[in-house]
Amino acid sequence: GAVVSQHPSRVICKSGTSVKIECRSLDFQATTMFWYRQFPKKSLMLMATSNEGSKATYEQGVEKDKFLINHASLTLSTLTVTSAHPEDSSFYICSAPPPDGQNAYNSPLHFGNGTRLTVT
Amino acid sequence: QKEVEQNSGPLSVPEGAIASLNCTYSDRGSQSFFWYRQYSGKSPELIMFIYSNGDKEDGRFTAQLNKASQYVSLLIRDSQPSDSATYLCAPSGGFGSARQLTFGSGTQLTVLP
Repeated sequence: GAVVSQHPSRVICKSGTSVKIECRSLDFQATTMFWYRQFPKKSLMLMATSNEGSKATYEQGVEKDKFLINHASLTLSTLTVTSAHPEDSSFYICSAPPPDGQNAYNSPLHFGNGTRLTVT
Repeated sequence: QKEVEQNSGPLSVPEGAIASLNCTYSDRGSQSFFWYRQYSGKSPELIMFIYSNGDKEDGRFTAQLNKASQYVSLLIRDSQPSDSATYLCAPSGGFGSARQLTFGSGTQLTVLP
């Protein structure tokens, strides 16, 4: 089945540094990937939609200059948290719809394993 | 504004009992409804999805959908301690709109041995 790989699984960084998170579709091509953020005991909130070959679409309230998304190929999307601050500490999860030609409305998203970011 | 409401929980049931998880949604354009299970510190994993009114059964899980009432539920029969997790309800939007997967806040389920 469709597999999405996310790396790293955990990262601890100092305030002010930048962190890059990678999301790869391992056995299929993904023209679209989604980035979610989840705070403790909260639900997943969609941050942005990553589009291969074009600019990402950000949800309202998400700073595009802070959360840089690059979808350079059909199998890789990256999220860079720039100048990270402690309030950016969260669980970041990427996902992609499967490529099998089904309408997206009845096709589940496949999630990466998530990245736990801690900014000190 | 699209909203997804789930019974807040936490919900505790004894092992072997039926756990009932409920979800209401505000977007009448929602076409499909996904139930994901999320263990602490892990990514969500798909349990079931349903897009037709009525019941859909898969093993110990039954999803129920009533579009007129904008209500979807998940029943877990013969609950096991391994079912203890947070369950997320996620309606999906129209065709080609996987991005419109809006998650509810989740219901934390604990199955007591």
